[in-house]
Amino acid sequence: DQQVKQNSPSLSVQEGRISILNCDYTNSMFDYFLWYKKYPAEGPTFLISISSIKDKNEDGRFTVFLNKSAKHLSLHIVPSQPGDSAVYFCAASALSGNQFYFGTGTSLTVIP
Amino acid sequence: KAGVTQTPRYLIKTRGQQVTLSCSPISGHRSVSWYQQTPGQGLQFLFEYFSETQRNKGNFPGRFSGRQFSNSRSEMNVSTLELGDSALYLCASSLALSGGQTRTQYFGPGTRLTVL
Repeated sequence: DQQVKQNSPSLSVQEGRISILNCDYTNSMFDYFLWYKKYPAEGPTFLISISSIKDKNEDGRFTVFLNKSAKHLSLHIVPSQPGDSAVYFCAASALSGNQFYFGTGTSLTVIP
Repeated sequence: KAGVTQTPRYLIKTRGQQVTLSCSPISGHRSVSWYQQTPGQGLQFLFEYFSETQRNKGNFPGRFSGRQFSNSRSEMNVSTLELGDSALYLCASSLALSGGQTRTQYFGPGTRLTVL
């Protein structure tokens, strides 16, 4: 049972424009969410996180939005750069547990 | 501070053999988790260790096992390898909170296992 879902396997965006990556979850106990970026043959790199007490967290060009009622989060990258081309994973965990649940990833291609 | 290290980086085995993968977490991190990544499947959780104890286990057969040492280094073992075990195996460490809850995980580069 996939508790975290990324329904778009791929996304292409022009350089300089906004990239929006989406993630949905089913478990209402999740209270901490993360985004990771992964290049081929490397491990995922932590990008940004958000706690359920917030609905937005920003770090430079990256902003994560959380909509708890819809069980939905999104990652905005503005402006997109060719170096952002990678696979992005969202992950979720519950304070009561110690396991992270990952989505299947979205492959972002930023076109120069 | 050094990141998470995994050895070996690449491994080729044949069906029926067993394999041991090693992970050294970031200094001070006491929680270590293992994941399997295959194309189209995302990261599948294998197990998580904290203070030498397995706290969580994913939905994998008993051929997959692990352990953690007193210095927080961890190993995972896969016995009787099958072709479907070919994957990237990732280790992640986390600075557990006072109650032992893990928050942000930091990943190593992974071990690419190929089973022939």
